This record gives sequence, C-alpha cells and structure tokens, in this order.
Amino acid sequence: DGGITQSPKYLFRKEGQNVTLSCEQNLNHDAMYWYRQDPGQGLRLIYYSQIVNDFQKGDIAEGYSVSREKKESFPLTVTSAQKNPTAFYLCASSRQGAASGGSYNEQFFGPGTRLTVL
Amino acid sequence: GIQVEQSPPDLILQEGANSTLRCNFSDSVNNLQWFHQNPWGQLINLFYIPSGTKQNGRLSATTVATERYSLLYISSSQTTDSGVYFCAATSLIQGAQKLVFGQGTRLTINP
Repeated sequence: DGGITQSPKYLFRKEGQNVTLSCEQNLNHDAMYWYRQDPGQGLRLIYYSQIVNDFQKGDIAEGYSVSREKKESFPLTVTSAQKNPTAFYLCASSRQGAASGGSYNEQFFGPGTRLTVL
Repeated sequence: GIQVEQSPPDLILQEGANSTLRCNFSDSVNNLQWFHQNPWGQLINLFYIPSGTKQNGRLSATTVATERYSLLYISSSQTTDSGVYFCAATSLIQGAQKLVFGQGTRLTINP
C-alpha cells in the first residue's frame, strides 16, 4: 500500500526534553512538509523539503529542527526551545516541490501525531 | 502572504440537505485544495482545484480564480459528511510549497 505513515500516534513529553516525530512515505514524492495544528485552528507550515539534503523554514520554525537524509523520510524534532509544543503534527508530501504548477504540487497527508507536554 | 478565509465557520444541517462552503483568498493561486478532516484528525483530499469545476459523486467544487474564491458543494448530505472542511492555497508569488490553510468550516449533519 502506498502512503504516508507517521509514528507514534500519541506522544507524551516532559518539559525540557527533545522528541522526534517520524514521517515516512513510499509514494516516491520529492517534496515533504511538516504542519502543526492547534485545537479549532487550521494547519501552519513548520518546515518543508523539496529534495534530499535540503530543507527550508516555514512560518513557525522556531523550536523545531528537521533532516532529509533519505527521500522517503523527513523526521521532525521538537526541541526544548519550543515554548508551547502541545499540538497535532501532520506530515505531508507532494510529487514535486518546485513552483511548476499542475497537480504535481497536490499535497497528501499522513495520519498525524498528537504531542502532549506533561 | 496570502490570506485564506472560509465561511461559514459552523454549519448544521439535516440529513439530505445540500450545503455550500466558501473559500476566499487574497492573491492569485497556483494550488488550491479542499480537505475533509475526519474525527481522528486525518486530512482526506477532496479536490485539487486552482481553477475550474470538478465533481466527485455528491461533492463538487468550483474555483473562480479571477474573483479569488472557491466553493465546495455537498449534495444530499449524509451523517458521515460531518467534520471539518479546510480550504488551503499557495500563491504564485510565494511558491508552491507554502500551503496556507483557512480556519475551516465545521459541518454537522443530523439524522
């Protein structure tokens, strides 16, 4: 089955700890994205990557870090510097990340990880 | 950056009714998507529609790019249509990566 998987589904963290959220895709998509959703709100872009070994900050990158060592994987680390990390985190991918238009830019989402800071 | 606004914020209907959800955006777009978020949080792709009209069963969508709005139509609503519907867009200026979401429309279909 082709798709995007995220793990874990639920994650609990103590204050001051770093945690890493996993995102894997087997769609052979070039571009991957991380979004954050707070209750009753839309999604906001944290980081995105158009190609392996390259990534850019989104609108709310402070307190987060990413890596893109493999095409299939785009892990997100929530660091202790993130002031309010409790949220729902969604990973997405698209066939192409370049501004070339067309349905290559259509984004597909994984099932999400709910992070709670205790 | 691009602003995306959805209306109404909440919509409550009886099963079998039709509904229209609206999405206004502030810039020219090169990507506009409609999603349905189910009770478990999963975002389901409904339409990729930066312009024109598409239909998929009881759902259809129209984007009038020159007037900067998109509409999602749901006909003969079923209780399983309940959930939050999001519109999201990227602007030609900012590039295809920055998908900006509206605040969503919460649709409740009562039996």
